[in-house]
Amino acid sequence: GQQVMQIPQYQHVQEGEDFTTYCNSSTTLSNIQWYKQRPGGHPVFLIQLVKSGEVKKQKRLTFQFGEAKKNSSLHITATQTTDVGTYFCAPEYGNKLVFGAGTILRVKS
Amino acid sequence: DADVTQTPRNRITKTGKRIMLECSQTKGHDRMYWYRQDPGLGLRLIYYSFDVKDINKGEISDGYSVSRQAQAKFSLSLESAIPNQTALYFCATSDWGVSETQYFGPGTRLLVL
Repeated sequence: GQQVMQIPQYQHVQEGEDFTTYCNSSTTLSNIQWYKQRPGGHPVFLIQLVKSGEVKKQKRLTFQFGEAKKNSSLHITATQTTDVGTYFCAPEYGNKLVFGAGTILRVKS
Repeated sequence: DADVTQTPRNRITKTGKRIMLECSQTKGHDRMYWYRQDPGLGLRLIYYSFDVKDINKGEISDGYSVSRQAQAKFSLSLESAIPNQTALYFCATSDWGVSETQYFGPGTRLLVL
């Protein structure tokens, strides 16, 4: 079946440092979504990317969709303790989402 | 999201028991999904339903069954629970359209002894 590779699996950063998680697919994607799951919580939708080379920003979060639409990234500038959680990419294959394994972010204050 | 509810929130059961997890939504969405989450494996799709008369197997449907009783209700059953079905289970909904944004329930934590 369709697979998506998300790296790194885990990252522990000092508060104020930047953080990036990457999502890679072997096939061209129609679109990709990103979700955040706080510890003990449920996944919550962050954003959807559709266009080749698209870049979207939400405050300190920057989302990119690759030119070939096979990869995507989420970058957080100057992390804060409120950023802790697991970040999932979720490309759409057919008419279903396939979630990556997630990147767990821990922030040391 | 309070619009998607799951019961029970926590459950402990024994091997071989039948168990049902329930999901209800007030969002008016046609599409509903069941996922399980295991550490390091992300969210894996068990079953999904695009309307009341539509049921589809997902990536890991073996050992599970579902029932779509109404647009708002989608239940997941473990016919004979086994320890490796210990996991966190999420129900999700989405609306018909270009964007398949999914709205998740709070989850059910299941332990099979």
